[in-house]
Order: sequence, then C-alpha cells, then structure tokens
Amino acid sequence: ELKVEQNPLFLSMQEGKNYTIYCNYSTTSDRLYWYRQDPGKSLESLFVLLSNGAVKQEGRLMASLDTKARLSTLHITAAVHDLSATYFCAVDIQGAQKLVFGQGTRLTINP
Amino acid sequence: EADIYQTPRYLVIGTGKKITLECSQTMGHDKMYWYQQDPGMELHLIHYSYGVNSTEKGDLSSESTVSRIRTEHFPLTLESARPSHTSQYLCASSRGFNYGYTFGSGTRLTVV
Repeated sequence: ELKVEQNPLFLSMQEGKNYTIYCNYSTTSDRLYWYRQDPGKSLESLFVLLSNGAVKQEGRLMASLDTKARLSTLHITAAVHDLSATYFCAVDIQGAQKLVFGQGTRLTINP
Repeated sequence: EADIYQTPRYLVIGTGKKITLECSQTMGHDKMYWYQQDPGMELHLIHYSYGVNSTEKGDLSSESTVSRIRTEHFPLTLESARPSHTSQYLCASSRGFNYGYTFGSGTRLTVV
C-alpha cells in the first residue's frame, strides 16, 4: 500500500524567510504532483514532476523530485503572506493512474 | 473559468435522505475521480472511472455509488445520508498522468 507523508504538517514562518516542505512516499513511483488549497476552496495544481531529478519553479516556489530517495521537496524562497495556504503532495500509483495524497502542510506566513 | 463543475456547492440535508452530488467536465477527459476530504485534512479516493461504463471503488470504503453514462458526467449518490457522511466531496478529472488532475470547487455536505 502506497503511503505518502509530508513534513512538517504545520509551519508558521515570517515573511522574507526560506523554508522547505518534504514529501516522502513508500513505493516506486516517478510521478509526483504538488497542489495548493486555500481555506474553504478546492485544489489548485502547482507542479507536475515526471522523472528523477525533475525541478520546476514558479515565482517563489520550487519543487524537485528524487525518485531513488522517494522524496520530493517544495522550497519557498523569501516567503510572502499570499503564500499562506495548505500544500499537498500526491503520488501516482505506478500503472494505476490514481493519486494518493499526503496529509497536507498548513503554511502560515506572518508579516 | 472552471472546466469542471460541481453542484450543489453547499448542502444541508436530514438523515436518511437520498442525495446526488453532480460533477460535469467540458474537457473531454476520460478519467474522473471522487475524493472525500474533512476540513484541512488529507484527501481520500472513494470512486474513480477510466471511461464510460467504467467505475471502480477507491481506497476509502464508502457507502456511496457512482455512474458514468456519459464522458462528461460523473454523479455520486448516497442512498441514505448519515451524519458520518458530513464532509467535503471533491470531483476531479485528468487527461493523463503527464498533466495531473483538475479539481472542481467541491460540495460541502452536512447531514443533520
């Protein structure tokens, strides 16, 4: 059974600081996705990572994938308040085309 | 502009009632999914479909049922709602693993 674990689950940080959210998964997969969810809203796709070593960047967010370590990171650079949200990683079960989600990381960025 | 639509957005209903949550997409995607999410918590897959007349149960046991008679439509039905069904239900579709999922805005269900 595929398990996806995020760390940390809660993160409170100051504007201007850098931080990293980690996503570990338990079985072989080379497809990982990051989503953002604002309170009371649905999920917005951020990054699609499809191979070992994949790196994607959008604004202050950068995501990477290491399939050998079964680890993805979401790095936040010089955080701003607008990035406050819950971030989910999700892993595609190999061959099954079903996503299994992590628990989510609730990020709060304080002025 | 949303390409995947869920209705209703909010629903409060009494125990024992039958309800259908609607999900439609205009993107022609073959693959569609239903996830259940308690507020701020992880998403659990309850049903999925890879095309017309194809439906499968997900990883989380659910008393709901689904149908897929048309590509664009994937409704979820609860025959007899219970308070334990109170949750948010998110519908998603995908054109393939290279693209991830597109999610609808969700239905927040409260059973009293």
